[in-house]
Amino acid sequence: DTAVSQTPKYLVTQMGNDKSIKCEQNLGHDTMYWYKQDSKKFLKIMFSYNNKELIINETVPNRFSPKSPDKAHLNLHINSLELGDSAVYFCASSQFGQNTEAFFGQGTRLTVV
Amino acid sequence: GEDVEQSLFLSVREGDSSVINCTYTDSSSTYLYWYKQEPGAGLQLLTYIFSNMDMKQDQRLTVLLNKKDKHLSLRIADTQTGDSAIYFCAESIAGTYKYIFGTGTRLKVLA
Repeated sequence: DTAVSQTPKYLVTQMGNDKSIKCEQNLGHDTMYWYKQDSKKFLKIMFSYNNKELIINETVPNRFSPKSPDKAHLNLHINSLELGDSAVYFCASSQFGQNTEAFFGQGTRLTVV
Repeated sequence: GEDVEQSLFLSVREGDSSVINCTYTDSSSTYLYWYKQEPGAGLQLLTYIFSNMDMKQDQRLTVLLNKKDKHLSLRIADTQTGDSAIYFCAESIAGTYKYIFGTGTRLKVLA
């Protein structure tokens, strides 16, 4: 009964490839996020979606395209992968307006070689 | 501004208390959180405090908030080896859809 689940957990791919990471939440939340955690463990917000609508795009390259087919899903597609994209990507969800915490997935470790 | 700063490392002996500090710059934060990240895992919420409170106690955890100085701390009493992890403070900004995370403090508990 995982609240926020991401797939895959690990992803190793070559430079230039296109890849997707999927995220699903079963908490009934209306807001979902993608965060990037770099090798120094710094966590930066990338995107935020509320009710399938893009709310925040924190100066992320156009190669990253999130898609939210419904409130429970937020997928991340990355085109033309670069070495610098190697990181752990975390999906999270929360209910806007209730000021409760964000619930995080287990992360997807992306390695670009 | 939206910077949230923490010291990067803290080492304590088992049984001692740990104090992890955090400073933030955005005065419009509504809630402040402490998350724990164990190796290879996601972030797990430990506790949170509403911005109009100055203290919250939850078993071994004590959160202190000094809103004037924009300073948040997490005290872990009787620290155990299982507490070794990275601890992130985070703030939610009123009216926005984001949580801003600190730089993380890596706590190492020595047996």
